[in-house]
Amino acid sequence: DTGVSQNPRHKITKRGQNVTFRCDPISEHNRLYWYRQTLGQGPEFLTYFQNEAQLEKSRLLSDRFSAERPKGSFSTLEIQRTEQGDSAMYLCASSEPKERYTGELFFGEGSRLTVL
Amino acid sequence: AQSVTQLDSHVSVSEGTPVLLRCNYSSSYSPSLFWYVQHPNKGLQLLLKYTSAATLVKGINGFEAEFKKSETSFHLTKPSAHMSDAAEYFCVVSRSHGSSNTGKLIFGQGTTLQVKP
Repeated sequence: DTGVSQNPRHKITKRGQNVTFRCDPISEHNRLYWYRQTLGQGPEFLTYFQNEAQLEKSRLLSDRFSAERPKGSFSTLEIQRTEQGDSAMYLCASSEPKERYTGELFFGEGSRLTVL
Repeated sequence: AQSVTQLDSHVSVSEGTPVLLRCNYSSSYSPSLFWYVQHPNKGLQLLLKYTSAATLVKGINGFEAEFKKSETSFHLTKPSAHMSDAAEYFCVVSRSHGSSNTGKLIFGQGTTLQVKP
């Protein structure tokens, strides 16, 4: 499978614990995005990377959230001191480099976080 | 600022009848518009996109959408619904394709399409 891969698919944790999600984009895509989707809502932009550089962060991304893409390939999204309001589906997407960008994002199946 | 409004949170049709999912957009820039579909336990998939070329856009699985600037609308249609079309549909806007386009998407709240046998 050469699509966007996310792990774990589902994480249940207790409030106050830290969690980390991983995203492996399509290999030739240099742009990578994180979105959050809560129940009954559309996805909301969190942040995006071009290669290893984090170029934009949403105000939704509080200081408990940190995203990295150290080698410009896979990315991690860490949430520290989780709160019940962090319960959501975390979606990763990737896209072609700017010179070949067609407007399409390729999404993974998401990582569902449940904070008890 | 950019935004999209999906006018129906839930649409129910019978198999074989037409589908209409309504979307209005707001954008200060020349927009790119998309429809994405999300089936249960599946990733979001692009159905179709408008990027300032033809105003009538054809997508996968028989879906179409028409960009109407005067009405700021981008409604999704299909002549005949199939059971497999049952899913969540999202209307999406971004800045127009170009050197400043970051791929940051603004999603609507979604429309659940139910298809009855």
